[in-house]
Amino acid sequence: QAQLVQSGGGVVQPGRSLRLSCAASGFTFSSFGIHWVRQAPGKGLQWVAVIWYDGSNKFYADSVKGRFTISRDNSKNTLYLQMNNLRAEDTALYYCVIIHDGFDLWGQGTVVAVSS
Amino acid sequence: DVVMTQSPLSLPVTVGQPASISCRSSQSLVYSDGNTYLNWYQQRPGQSPRRLIYKVSNRDSGVPDRFSGSGSGTDFTLKISRVEAEDVGVYYCMQGTHWPPWTFGQGTKVEIK
Repeated sequence: QAQLVQSGGGVVQPGRSLRLSCAASGFTFSSFGIHWVRQAPGKGLQWVAVIWYDGSNKFYADSVKGRFTISRDNSKNTLYLQMNNLRAEDTALYYCVIIHDGFDLWGQGTVVAVSS
Repeated sequence: DVVMTQSPLSLPVTVGQPASISCRSSQSLVYSDGNTYLNWYQQRPGQSPRRLIYKVSNRDSGVPDRFSGSGSGTDFTLKISRVEAEDVGVYYCMQGTHWPPWTFGQGTKVEIK
């Protein structure tokens, strides 16, 4: 069945970097745009970034623009989020998500904790 | 950015009774193609969110028909016709009309009385 399996989270110090991965299977990954959405501890959902199905367009939340980079490798059915210059306020559970008419799919989430 | 405002933020309900959640947007969510990109999500405790409704009133596959969505323009509603114990969780509306960014409501916590 269709699934998104995430990896790459962890605990990092402020100012350091981390890369998240999201591996897709069970569907045609290259046909869909895909988002990153995060959830700070005890808080609601916040959209982070999106990349078009072919990688031709990318958009970011203002809070991460210039620090985070979304990318994808359709040959590997994998989505990435490169997070640089991490801040305490980036601490959250990060989800990769496909938001499409008739097709909704979330990863299991991966924790990013930024702390000194 | 479009601001999504949900009410109530907390909703105690009795099993078998109906429930309703309101979501208002700071501007109309009608897109230039005529569609309204307003989705509803459910997040059960300890789980990833899942979408229940897309484009205001379309139920996703596998979603029980006790869930329904309605509304237009800036005012939207998610209704549960008869709440079941498994419906406990937090419900979010999200707009995908005026992007970026895609924006979520604050969430409504549904609990059983």
